Amino acid sequence: DAGITQSPRHKVTETGTPVTLRCHQTENHRYMYWYRQDPGHGLRLIHYSYGVKDTDKGEVSDGYSVSRSKTEDFLLTLESATSSQTSVYFCAIGAGSGYEQYFGPGTRLTVT
Amino acid sequence: GEDVEQSLFLSVREGDSSVINCTYTDSSSTYLYWYKQEPGAGLQLLTYIFSNMDMKQDQRLTVLLNKKDKHLSLRIADTQTGDSAIYFCAESSDDYKLSFGAGTTVTVRA
Repeated sequence: DAGITQSPRHKVTETGTPVTLRCHQTENHRYMYWYRQDPGHGLRLIHYSYGVKDTDKGEVSDGYSVSRSKTEDFLLTLESATSSQTSVYFCAIGAGSGYEQYFGPGTRLTVT
Repeated sequence: GEDVEQSLFLSVREGDSSVINCTYTDSSSTYLYWYKQEPGAGLQLLTYIFSNMDMKQDQRLTVLLNKKDKHLSLRIADTQTGDSAIYFCAESSDDYKLSFGAGTTVTVRA
């Protein structure tokens, strides 16, 4: 257990509404990541952060934004949720020098 | 992702060895990983190997890396029912952004 929690764990929302997912870590790691998991695709990187207020885009960043105002929290926002964003979202932290990534329990998001 | 490929399914008898294979395309890959995911759970980091190594052993797990062929394998000795899960291969370069394969579902039969 790398001290990572995600909230909420499950959410159902309607198309067009904004949604924010939270990732919280207790161990002061510099690197944090958001991935989404879909059948047949493994996990794909959405955004990542390499420090407070330092973020960058990943492979599938369209329709998502992130913020990191404190070391321990990394927020993922779906600005206007669409059905294609129905997925399981995982947060990860980079331990050691950053290359050991440990994952949170995931958030299952359904957009109706 | 498209850069990392794995076979989708593997069935193995309890007590036998399992071998899960993975190929990747990025010649600048620095770290290669194996993760395990049980139903409804997050991903558990099983092991990783640095690209200048060709083998790493950790209890029942053996990772083999053929950098020339860009081929990675995970061998699980004495496979148990608790090893039934999805196994993901992943790679990263120095930027630590992981690219995952689609996962191999391992089923252990009695």
